[in-house]
Amino acid sequence: AQRVTQPEKLLSVFKGAPVELKCNYSYSGSPELFWYVQYSRQRLQLLLRHISRESIKGFTADLNKGETSFHLKKPFAQEEDSAMYYCALNEDTDKLIFGTGTRLQVFP
Amino acid sequence: GAVVSQHPSWVICKSGTSVKIECRSLDFQATTMFWYRQFPKQSLMLMATSNEGSKATYEQGVEKDKFLINHASLTLSTLTVTSAHPEDSSFYICSASGPFPLDEQFFGPGTRLTVL
Repeated sequence: AQRVTQPEKLLSVFKGAPVELKCNYSYSGSPELFWYVQYSRQRLQLLLRHISRESIKGFTADLNKGETSFHLKKPFAQEEDSAMYYCALNEDTDKLIFGTGTRLQVFP
Repeated sequence: GAVVSQHPSWVICKSGTSVKIECRSLDFQATTMFWYRQFPKQSLMLMATSNEGSKATYEQGVEKDKFLINHASLTLSTLTVTSAHPEDSSFYICSASGPFPLDEQFFGPGTRLTVL
């Protein structure tokens, strides 16, 4: 069963529009959730993690245990935000379970 | 920041041969290294987890004898695809985590394997 679900394969918005990349997870314990980003021709890198509760490059994500969600949001998208975004779950081990990813395209 | 390298970045081999891919942590000691496989336009699938000096732990469905993993030092892990076949063609990515912070993985750039 899919433990990390990213329902959108592609999300296209115009510059300045709000962005929300959806992520839902399935885990009965206390999850640790992450968002990773992969820019064109670059390696995968950590964007943010829920325990930090910080904003990186204007992105935030709140863990909602009731809805088992960890959606990534940004109020005003920029062209440089265009990339592949992966939600990932750490199940009390060092292992990361990745979602299928969402490609964000920000048009000028 | 922590840097992880992979070598080679791409490799083409004939069916039946073996291919070795190296993963190195350049500026930190990696207590744990992970190997992933990524098919085109799909997510990363964890293949195995390796800790320095011990046997790798393979995920369900991953053939241990097919994908040999060695983590001989705190800065080097190798993945050997034995008797490669065209279906082994894929993008292989390694990551490494060290003693700081324990739950962050730093990813290598990946190795594209094509088996003819």
